[in-house]
Amino acid sequence: DQQVKQNSPSLSVQEGRISILNCDYTNSMFDYFLWYKKYPAEGPTFLISISSIKDKNEDGRFTVFLNKSAKHLSLHIVPSQPGDSAVYFCAASAGNNNDMRFGAGTRLTVKP
Amino acid sequence: EAGVAQSPRYKIIEKRQSVAFWCNPISGHATLYWYQQILGQGPKLLIQFQNNGVVDDSQLPKDRFSAERLKGVDSTLKIQPAKLEDSAVYLCASSLDWANEQFFGPGTRLTVL
Repeated sequence: DQQVKQNSPSLSVQEGRISILNCDYTNSMFDYFLWYKKYPAEGPTFLISISSIKDKNEDGRFTVFLNKSAKHLSLHIVPSQPGDSAVYFCAASAGNNNDMRFGAGTRLTVKP
Repeated sequence: EAGVAQSPRYKIIEKRQSVAFWCNPISGHATLYWYQQILGQGPKLLIQFQNNGVVDDSQLPKDRFSAERLKGVDSTLKIQPAKLEDSAVYLCASSLDWANEQFFGPGTRLTVL
């Protein structure tokens, strides 16, 4: 059951531009959403999260937006840097980290 | 602070053989997770421990998979016997407690031939 979907397997942007990664979910019980970043041969690394009581959370160049009515969240990276090139996973859970469900990931490539 | 350690990093076996993976979480982390990540998919939770007790193993194929965390520290995940569809990266993660950020290890890539 794909409760969390990332419909774009890949995204390519120019250095300095904005990267927008999208994620949709189906389970209305999800109340905590996270983005993880993964480099090759490494485990995922936590990037940013948002609780369902908020619609935006910002951390430096990274901002996550949550649209509960559309069951959609997005990650904005501004400005994008070549070091941001990685696979980004969207994850969601009901009750913080219990039984976190992941999307399939989006491979971001930032070109110099 | 040392991260989550996993071994081996790579393992190749034939179907119907057995295999075991080891995970040493970050010191002091009470919660430990095992995930299976099949190529092209996101990680799927197999089992979650809180100290040495199982909190959630609803997605663990119990006919062939088993896991233990006897002393509430390190953990082993076993597959017996392995099937072709078990080929995946097995990720271990730990968190201070169940409501905190999860830290992932580098994973073990299993190939079943």
